[in-house]
Amino acid sequence: GNSVTQMEGPVTLSEEAFLTINCTYTATGYPSLFWYVQYPGEGLQLLLKATKADDKGSNKGFEATYRKETTSFHLEKGSVQVSDSAVYFCALGGSARQLTFGSGTQLTVLP
Amino acid sequence: GAGVSQSPSNKVTEKGKDVELRCDPISGHTALYWYRQRLGQGLEFLIYFQGNSAPDKSGLPSDRFSAERTGESVSTLTIQRTQQEDSAVYLCASSSGGSGGDEQFFGPGTRLTVL
Repeated sequence: GNSVTQMEGPVTLSEEAFLTINCTYTATGYPSLFWYVQYPGEGLQLLLKATKADDKGSNKGFEATYRKETTSFHLEKGSVQVSDSAVYFCALGGSARQLTFGSGTQLTVLP
Repeated sequence: GAGVSQSPSNKVTEKGKDVELRCDPISGHTALYWYRQRLGQGLEFLIYFQGNSAPDKSGLPSDRFSAERTGESVSTLTIQRTQQEDSAVYLCASSSGGSGGDEQFFGPGTRLTVL
């Protein structure tokens, strides 16, 4: 079946540091890949997505590239801000309509 | 427009009692999903509704869990004879289509605590 393995947290960075959160997946067929974010006290919301190999999703300075050869979808941001502090979830959407989520990575950015 | 809404936002119940959780999807969204999020963990799929098709119940953890949806509107998730391991945040999501590539829009969740 489908599965998502996500970098364990928590991750603590200083403002303007570079961020990478690793995500790898196992799936049959050609899944779509997502990063969702949950800000403190808020609901889960889509950050970015990619629907086919070599696609790059981007939003709010975050990027992730769909790498079929390494079955990865790592999240990156060149310069994090305090307001990026949140829990980040990697997810996979395949032939089964529901999403398969990773366990989440708590990011804290210090001023 | 309005997003996905869920009620109640918090529910505390005693072991053995039944609870009913409600989800109002975004108007016009044909697909509706229920997930469970245990503390410090990712989301677990519970059940999926698409239009008038038979629901996909493959994620329901036991026969104490059931869900209904009336057409393309409100859904209720019912947990009978609650157990302490049912304590979690229950999230509802909806999407405009039923494809694995479609964005799902999530509600704020219902935090269930079983004493």
